[in-house]
Amino acid sequence: KAGVTQTPRYLIKTRGQQVTLSCSPISGHRSVSWYQQTPGQGLQFLFEYFSETQRNKGNFPGRFSGRQFSNSRSEMNVSTLELGDSALYLCASSLGQENNEQFFGPGTRLTVL
Amino acid sequence: GQNIDQPTEMTATEGAIVQINCTYQTSGFNGLFWYQQHAGEAPTFLSYNVLDGLEEKGRFSSFLSRSKGYSYLLLKELQMKDSASYLCAVTSPSGGSYIPTFGRGTSLIVHP
Repeated sequence: KAGVTQTPRYLIKTRGQQVTLSCSPISGHRSVSWYQQTPGQGLQFLFEYFSETQRNKGNFPGRFSGRQFSNSRSEMNVSTLELGDSALYLCASSLGQENNEQFFGPGTRLTVL
Repeated sequence: GQNIDQPTEMTATEGAIVQINCTYQTSGFNGLFWYQQHAGEAPTFLSYNVLDGLEEKGRFSSFLSRSKGYSYLLLKELQMKDSASYLCAVTSPSGGSYIPTFGRGTSLIVHP
């Protein structure tokens, strides 16, 4: 079956702009989690959506938000971009139980100038 | 707070055995995952431990000691393609669900 897909794969924005990233999970997966990966901080959890509800949230400012649609597709939005938001943004889908492995998408590489 | 420690980098020789350690201090514990991430690619699942002991899966094995807050990933018969970053992740209960915390990863370099 098809894997997790993310669009766009690469994005260049300037400070102050906003951006929306999209993630399509594996068919049948109801949980979508978003992560930010940087060389300095590693992989950091942003939030998780399950059945259109945000189930958990990491320690990121309110500029980072997301949503999930009824078909389990998810979007992540970052407003008022800062240089430090430059990172690889990964989404991962799973069946939603704590012992389920997560399947990661290829990521969106965001560069903020 | 959540804290997960892994060595930053390790090197090993093709055909050898390498052990990558992970120690954690977290508020609550559900289970521990290991993921492999090749440069420029997404992480892929390797193993999951929820009970103490060793889980073996082919050339890869993962061990967990919950009382010591310690896990290791053992890679046998190393191959060049095993050169990658290895991520340790702990899931902790949060509300009715869980939150994953990842270590910064151990970059493994396998040389001939």
